[in-house]
Amino acid sequence: AQSVTQPDIHITVSEGASLELRCNYSYGATPYLFWYVQSPGQGLQLLLKYFSGDTLVQGIKGFEAEFKRSQSSFNLRKPSVHWSDAAEYFCAVRTGSQGNLIFGKGTKLSVKP
Amino acid sequence: KAGVTQTPRYLIKTRGQQVTLSCSPISGHRSVSWYQQTPGQGLQFLFEYFSETQRNKGNFPGRFSGRQFSNSRSEMNVSTLELGDSALYLCASSLQGGTNEKLFFGSGTQLSVL
Repeated sequence: AQSVTQPDIHITVSEGASLELRCNYSYGATPYLFWYVQSPGQGLQLLLKYFSGDTLVQGIKGFEAEFKRSQSSFNLRKPSVHWSDAAEYFCAVRTGSQGNLIFGKGTKLSVKP
Repeated sequence: KAGVTQTPRYLIKTRGQQVTLSCSPISGHRSVSWYQQTPGQGLQFLFEYFSETQRNKGNFPGRFSGRQFSNSRSEMNVSTLELGDSALYLCASSLQGGTNEKLFFGSGTQLSVL
């Protein structure tokens, strides 16, 4: 069965520092991969997605992610974190045609001033 | 263009009762899907509707049901509520529900079962 693992439950970084959030997926073929962000009490906002092509994808708010097939990973990165980036981040995979999203358990990001 | 609207924003019910949640998708979107979010289980897919038909279903008991109307608005119903049904219920819409489509999420309905 398809699954998504986000190994880090909670990460704290200083404002201005770089960020990398890890995501590993389990799926036989190339999946459709997504990163979403959720602010407290809010729904999910799509940061970026990967379907095919260039393995480095750019998203909104200065985020990027790299798809590595050999490692079954899709890690999210940002070169310089802002206090407003504090939120929970979810990696998700979508498989097959019209498939539903399978989410990881999320990584909560805290930003120190 | 208005986003995905979920009502009510908060609900408090007692065990054994039933509840109906509503979701109005973005205008022109015909696919509506529902997710349950809890601290323990995370985000889990409930079901997806397209053109008034349930097209995909997650692994939830039959107490969880839904429907979609001709204007694409969707409702989700939970009967015989249990404490474990306390969760944030999120609705998402997209144009056709295709695998490469962006899902737009509502802010959710926070259900508390006492």
